[in-house]
Amino acid sequence: DVQMTQSPSSLSASVGDRVTITCRANETIRNYLNWYLQKPGKAPNLLIYAASTLQSGVPSRFSGTGSGTDFTLTISSLQPDDFATYYCQQSFTIPLTFGGGTKVDIK
Amino acid sequence: QVQLQESGPGLVQPSQTLSLTCSVSGGPINSGDYYWSWVRQHPGRGLEWIGYVYPSGRAYYNPSLKSRVIISVDTSKSHFSLKLRSVTAADTAVYYCARDTVQDPRMDVWGQGTTVTVSS
Repeated sequence: DVQMTQSPSSLSASVGDRVTITCRANETIRNYLNWYLQKPGKAPNLLIYAASTLQSGVPSRFSGTGSGTDFTLTISSLQPDDFATYYCQQSFTIPLTFGGGTKVDIK
Repeated sequence: QVQLQESGPGLVQPSQTLSLTCSVSGGPINSGDYYWSWVRQHPGRGLEWIGYVYPSGRAYYNPSLKSRVIISVDTSKSHFSLKLRSVTAADTAVYYCARDTVQDPRMDVWGQGTTVTVSS
């Protein structure tokens, strides 16, 4: 299985901060990397797919970069609605696998 | 737009079979553009992909669960199903169904999730 490692596992930030979350695969997954946001008690919500393509309807403050094994999700200016847990997921090979999550909370 | 809704028992006895259905509305389940996935989340934990099924009925599974799981699709009823046999407390989780695109694969539509507890 492709192992996905996210860092940090949690972070505290303020509204307006620039936030960066990283995701590393233990083997190349080309650009088959997706990012999701999940709020407590809710299903995950797709933010970015194919490493850098913004899902329709997702605010432009979210962006993604990377290819191969190293990927980054950036929130350019954190908004109150962004406090949540973020997951990366590789869609390169079966079994599909997720990172352990990064919880973003209010400083 | 497409909506997914999980249904099934919230409580399953140990050693029995967990059975869930995901109803698809607002779009065709038989489109060749999508797989139909099941994902679970153990309490307070991350996400685990269980498997997915293509409209043809061909299914793909997580090897960690493959010996116990069957995912099937009924295009006439616009739903797909999950059966997980011989459950234990370790199968207690929130179960989500999701639509997974074939092109640039990603899970772009999710059900709200259903909590399944395995307990006697």
